[in-house]
Order: sequence, then C-alpha cells, then structure tokens
Amino acid sequence: AQSVTQPDIHITVSEGASLELRCNYSYGATPYLFWYVQSPGQGLQLLLKYFSGDTLVQGIKGFEAEFKRSQSSFNLRKPSVHWSDAAEYFCAVNNNNDMRFGAGTRLTVKP
Amino acid sequence: DGGITQSPKYLFRKEGQNVTLSCEQNLNHDAMYWYRQDPGQGLRLIYYSQIVNDFQKGDIAEGYSVSREKKESFPLTVTSAQKNPTAFYLCASSIYGTSTDTQYFGPGTRLTVL
Repeated sequence: AQSVTQPDIHITVSEGASLELRCNYSYGATPYLFWYVQSPGQGLQLLLKYFSGDTLVQGIKGFEAEFKRSQSSFNLRKPSVHWSDAAEYFCAVNNNNDMRFGAGTRLTVKP
Repeated sequence: DGGITQSPKYLFRKEGQNVTLSCEQNLNHDAMYWYRQDPGQGLRLIYYSQIVNDFQKGDIAEGYSVSREKKESFPLTVTSAQKNPTAFYLCASSIYGTSTDTQYFGPGTRLTVL
C-alpha cells in the first residue's frame, strides 16, 4: 500500500528565515502529489499540487515544492517565513483515487 | 459564497449515544468525503461518495454510517459501536472524485465523548 512520510513532527524557524518541509512517499509509479495547510481548529487549504511536467511547482502564499522522482520526495519550501505561516502542513498522495495523508509537520515561527 | 459547511463546530456526546455530523456543500461537486483526524496521525478516510445514493467504506468505517440522498449533503453518523469516537472530523468534496481533483475541506467538527 502506498504511504506518505513526513519525517519532521515539529519544526521551529525564525521569522524571515527559509523553510523546507520534507515529504517522502512509497509507490512505484508517480502519483499525484499535494501539500495542504491547516490552521488550528480549521479545515485544510490546498497550497499546491503536482501531476506532471515541470518538477518545480508554485503555490499560494509564496510556497513552492519540488518533485524528485529519484528520491520519491516532494519537499515544500518557502524563502522567507512570515509569522502567519505558523500552522500544520500535510503532504498527500493520490493514486487511483486512493488519497493518503502524511502525519503532518507543525511549524512554529519565532519572532 | 461557495464552500463547505459543517455543523456543529463542537459536539459532546454521552457514551452509548449515536450522533450525526452535518456536511453541506454548494460547490456542485459530485464527490464527498469524511475524514477523521487524531493528533500525530494525519487524516484517515472513513467514507466517501462519488454520486448520489452511492458510497464506499474507507479505511476506518467501522462504527460509522453515512447517507447521500442529495448531491449537496453527506451526513455522518457516529454510532455507539465506535469504540473511540473522540476526534476532529473533517468533511471534504471534489468536483468528480478523480485522483487529480483538489479536495476542498470544511472547517471541521470536534466530537468529544463524555
């Protein structure tokens, strides 16, 4: 069965610093890949998604993600973090209508 | 203003009671989903429906039931058979229910069993 791993449960960065959140998936073919963000007590909002083509995808709020087939990874990045980015981030993989979510990475932003 | 609404936001239930969580969407989406979220476990699929009057079990359907009598509504009933129902429940919808569709989420319902 396919699975999604987000190795970092919690990350703390200073405001203005760069950010990279890791995501690895296990599946033979290239699935469809998503990053969602969740503020406390709220639903999930899509940041970006990858289906095919250019392996660097741009999303909302200044986020981007890079698909690396050789590493089965889809890491999320942001050059300069804002205090409002503090939230929980979920990587998700969909293959053949089977959507799997990672356990999430909680981001804390220091002033 | 299109979107997904879930009610209530907070729900308290005594052990042995059934409770129904509401999910409504006005996005004209065909597919709807129910997820359960527990700390440190991400989201797990309970049930999904790709068309009115049809639905399929997800990974953790035991102790839950759903109905899909209208396109815009997909209520979830948490029955007394669910051993550990305290969790955050999220409803989602997507336009056709295919792998490439974005799933749009409601604000969630937090259920606490007393």
